[in-house]
Amino acid sequence: NAGVTQTPKFRVLKTGQSMTLLCAQDMNHEYMYWYRQDPGMGLRLIHYSVGEGTTAKGEVPDGYNVSRLKKQNFLLGLESAAPSQTSVYFCASSSRGVHGYTFGSGTRLTVV
Amino acid sequence: GQQLNQSPQSMFIQEGEDVSMNCTSSSIFNTWLWYKQDPGEGPVLLIALYKAGELTSNGRLTAQFGITRKDSFLNISASIPSDVGIYFCAGQLWSGGSNYKLTFGKGTLLTVNP
Repeated sequence: NAGVTQTPKFRVLKTGQSMTLLCAQDMNHEYMYWYRQDPGMGLRLIHYSVGEGTTAKGEVPDGYNVSRLKKQNFLLGLESAAPSQTSVYFCASSSRGVHGYTFGSGTRLTVV
Repeated sequence: GQQLNQSPQSMFIQEGEDVSMNCTSSSIFNTWLWYKQDPGEGPVLLIALYKAGELTSNGRLTAQFGITRKDSFLNISASIPSDVGIYFCAGQLWSGGSNYKLTFGKGTLLTVNP
């Protein structure tokens, strides 16, 4: 059972480039989330989804877009990367009625 | 919005010492969770608490859900080098089927000197 899988694990982008981070879960969870982690800032929610085809903004959504076309996948897009988006990105999922999230192992993104 | 204050921000201890960290909130939760993040990995759930006053253990870890529902603490006894990492508290307020909002503390960085 793989749980939550994030790809890629590492990426370096130039300012202005675009990219998509992929999150896949095999636990049939309804809810999925994208967080970013920066030193001293903890985990900050970017966007989340409560079901296939639905997404919502979290605490820090600017500069990011998401899509949940399939229940098991949650994509995070950066249309025009900025150095301020250098961070470690975590995807998580959870099931209705079960408390707590299962996290992926993260994507370390550097924007130069 | 809800905010969690987690303290201390960091701790440097000797192997064998006990550790205590806590979280306080400006509002109530009906679930408290404690996660550990190893270097280079995602957070992993350690303990979940569901009732005010509940005390739960997981090996050398003990966590409690405060009576007021606005705080929780985590104790680690007889620390070992593999306890190194970032510990996060998280609060969850849910009703019915809407359990999807977790609020995280900023974490406690634990360093254990052998």
